[in-house]
Amino acid sequence: EAQVTQNPRYLITVTGKKLTVTCSQNMNHEYMSWYRQDPGLGLRQIYYSMNVEVTDKGDVPEGYKVSRKEKRNFPLILESPSPNQTSLYFCASRLNLLAKNIQYFGAGTRLSVL
Amino acid sequence: QKEVEQNSGPLSVPEGAIASLNCTYSDRGSQSFFWYRQYSGKSPELIMSIYSNGDKEDGRFTAQLNKASQYVSLLIRDSQPSDSATYLCAVRRSDRGSTLGRLYFGRGTQLTVWP
Repeated sequence: EAQVTQNPRYLITVTGKKLTVTCSQNMNHEYMSWYRQDPGLGLRQIYYSMNVEVTDKGDVPEGYKVSRKEKRNFPLILESPSPNQTSLYFCASRLNLLAKNIQYFGAGTRLSVL
Repeated sequence: QKEVEQNSGPLSVPEGAIASLNCTYSDRGSQSFFWYRQYSGKSPELIMSIYSNGDKEDGRFTAQLNKASQYVSLLIRDSQPSDSATYLCAVRRSDRGSTLGRLYFGRGTQLTVWP
């Protein structure tokens, strides 16, 4: 089954404690991205990756890091989480940059930073 | 001006009615347009895509695109309570520079279908 898998689904942490949210896809997609979703603000892109070792900032990259060492994995790293990073996070993937490619989303990770 | 704008709603329609959701976008060169449905606390799920002017129908859903007016809409016929969700409009801009390949999302329109 084609899917985008995020872990963990729920996470409560404290300010400053480094954490990683994993994302994996089994569709051999080149393009992967991370979004956060906040009430009233919609989906905002944090980082994206066009392929292995190619990453770039989205609209709200501050406080986040990513890496793309393998095609299937695209982890999101919060080196020193702060309460304003409390949000619902989605990983997404697409085959490549072509216009008609459909983007698939993971189930989401709800993060609370105390 | 925001890349993609939607009426935030909420939009409330009775069961069996037609729900009309609207979206405008700022980049005239945008190529691809998508409608996602998102139930509360769940991930967005693609329900329609449209790439050329006109209408595209899929079951009870019809997407309409007017590139001259920079407008895309989603019609849901015979609305059901199970259609109650937030509907996100997404637009892929034209290929240039740092925006290459990116999807831009509207803030979503919350739809409630009451029995």
